[in-house]
Amino acid sequence: NAGVTQTPKFRVLKTGQSMTLLCAQDMNHEYMYWYRQDPGMGLRLIHYSVGEGTTAKGEVPDGYNVSRLKKQNFLLGLESAAPSQTSVYFCASSIANSLNQPQHFGDGTRLSIL
Amino acid sequence: TQLLEQSPQFLSIQEGENLTVYCNSSSVFSSLQWYRQEPGEGPVLLVTVVTGGEVKKLKRLTFQFGDARKDSSLHITAAQPGDTGLYLCAGARTGANNLFFGTGTRLTVIP
Repeated sequence: NAGVTQTPKFRVLKTGQSMTLLCAQDMNHEYMYWYRQDPGMGLRLIHYSVGEGTTAKGEVPDGYNVSRLKKQNFLLGLESAAPSQTSVYFCASSIANSLNQPQHFGDGTRLSIL
Repeated sequence: TQLLEQSPQFLSIQEGENLTVYCNSSSVFSSLQWYRQEPGEGPVLLVTVVTGGEVKKLKRLTFQFGDARKDSSLHITAAQPGDTGLYLCAGARTGANNLFFGTGTRLTVIP
């Protein structure tokens, strides 16, 4: 069972470059999330989606854009990468309607901005 | 500042010892979850607590939700090297569509 798959797993960018991180889930989940994880900060929500065609801002949305054109995919874009965006990025998905349900996470994308 | 603060941030203990980690907030949560994350992987759910004062046990792990639903604790009895990892609490608030994650406790159990 694939669950949540993130690509790529690692990436190094130069300041100012752009890139897109892809998240795919095969569990037919309505909700999808993008987090960043930095030392001592836990997980911070960047953007999330409550269904196909919808997106919403999380705690730290600046410098990122997202799209949910298909229910199974959630894309995170960096238009002009900055060193402050060096982090590990996690995608997650969950069943709608109840936050008592678990969030299922991918294995992360480690992104370094030089 | 994070909505949920966890303590301690780092904990290193010998195999067989007991430990408690804490997850505290000034806000009320409708439910709270605990996750464990191992290196190179995403967090995996351990438990969800939904009622103030609730206690749940998962083998050697005991989770408690505070009476006022503002805090939670995780107690591990006779820790084993396999318990090593990053422990994250995450709270759900009424009316919100997302979880709020804590700052994390990194546990190392030395054989």
